[in-house]
Amino acid sequence: QVQLVESGGGVVQPGRSLRLSCAASGFTFSSYGMYWVRQAPGKGLEWVAVIWHDGSSKYYVGSVKGRFTISRDNSQNTLYLQMNSLRAEDTAVYYCARVIGTSVVDYGTDVWGQGTTVIVSS
Amino acid sequence: DIQLTQSPSFLSASVGDRVTITCRASQGISSYLAWYQQKPGKAPKLLIYVASTLQSGVPSRFSGSGSGTEFTLTISSLQPEDFATYYCQQLNSYPHTFGQGTKLEIK
Repeated sequence: QVQLVESGGGVVQPGRSLRLSCAASGFTFSSYGMYWVRQAPGKGLEWVAVIWHDGSSKYYVGSVKGRFTISRDNSQNTLYLQMNSLRAEDTAVYYCARVIGTSVVDYGTDVWGQGTTVIVSS
Repeated sequence: DIQLTQSPSFLSASVGDRVTITCRASQGISSYLAWYQQKPGKAPKLLIYVASTLQSGVPSRFSGSGSGTEFTLTISSLQPEDFATYYCQQLNSYPHTFGQGTKLEIK
């Protein structure tokens, strides 16, 4: 079945790095754009980043630009989020999600992982 | 960045009620709006995309409307499983921002 499974979360000190992974199965991963979305404890959803199906374009929310890098390996059906210079306000559950739409516009995200928790604390 | 404001932020209703949630965008986004439902401890679920298209498998009591800057999500007859938090998301331009959420509680 169509599935996304995140991993790599944990407790990390401020200023350190962490890399999240999202393993995709049950669909042609290389045909879909992918998002990272996060949710701080007790808060709403925050869109973090997108990568197009072929990795040719990437966009980020302002608060993570220059610190986070989204990437993908279509041969391994895996999405990544490299997070550097982590801050307390990056503490959240991080979800990967599959984008639906056309080649020029996204319509939304129809498949989500279960999330992986990142806690930034000294 | 485009800001989305949902109203109300909290809504108390009963099974069988008709409820409407509004999402207003800070600038025009055509019809590039999606609605999600999230239950505690779970990932969001896509309900509606391009403002009014029902995602496959979503019950027909859910409907969406609007374009430009004002959008609505309507649940025609609340069922017990509909009590959750609802989010809108704009997909007109990056970053693809979400609204702050509307928590729908049982009266």
